[in-house]
Amino acid sequence: QVQLVQSGAEVKNPGASVKVSCKASGFPLITYYMHWVRQAPGQGLEWMALINPNGVSTAYAEKFQGRITVTRDASTSMFYMELRTLRFEDTALYYCAREGRDGSIWGYLDYWGQGTLVTVSS
Amino acid sequence: QSALTQPASVSGSPGQSITISCTGTSSDIGAYNSVSWYQQHPGRAPKFMIYGVTNRPSGVSNRFSGSKSGNTASLTISGLQAEDEADYYCSSKRGSTNYVFGTGTKVTVL
Repeated sequence: QVQLVQSGAEVKNPGASVKVSCKASGFPLITYYMHWVRQAPGQGLEWMALINPNGVSTAYAEKFQGRITVTRDASTSMFYMELRTLRFEDTALYYCAREGRDGSIWGYLDYWGQGTLVTVSS
Repeated sequence: QSALTQPASVSGSPGQSITISCTGTSSDIGAYNSVSWYQQHPGRAPKFMIYGVTNRPSGVSNRFSGSKSGNTASLTISGLQAEDEADYYCSSKRGSTNYVFGTGTKVTVL
């Protein structure tokens, strides 16, 4: 069955970087887009980025441009999201999610990881 | 880039129907049929409830339905049940490559 298992919680100082990982299993990586979404405490969902099935093309939300990189290691079925120059307001639960495909219908997130809590604190 | 606009809260009694709106622009909801809806219970990851504006994944109750008119999408929950109490988020493709979520709506079953 499809599973997305994320790395554990992180505590970082302001200005540092964090790299969250997401281990995918149960489906062919070369077929699906993967997304990253975050949720600050008590707040809503925020779309951050995606990586295409071949792991080469990416797209980032404008507010994260220049601070974020998403990558994929097909040999280990791992996806990564690195966020740099962390600020207090980056404290959030970070999710990886698979974009589903149903014929010509796409653009929805059908499987989600369990989330990784990143806390930015001095 | 701003989020799609949803009402902060919607409530209804058991058995009633409620509708949650999601307002965007001609660059997102109005441009694509990639509207999806997610249900999130406290402490849980989101669960997709509607995709492609009107489609319901297997396992999701037929009490949930989606629609779209112009730049506004809607999620209707009919026959409201206690278990439907949760936060709901819409999402849409925006531009050629990006996506955006709604501000979220807290559904309360009275």
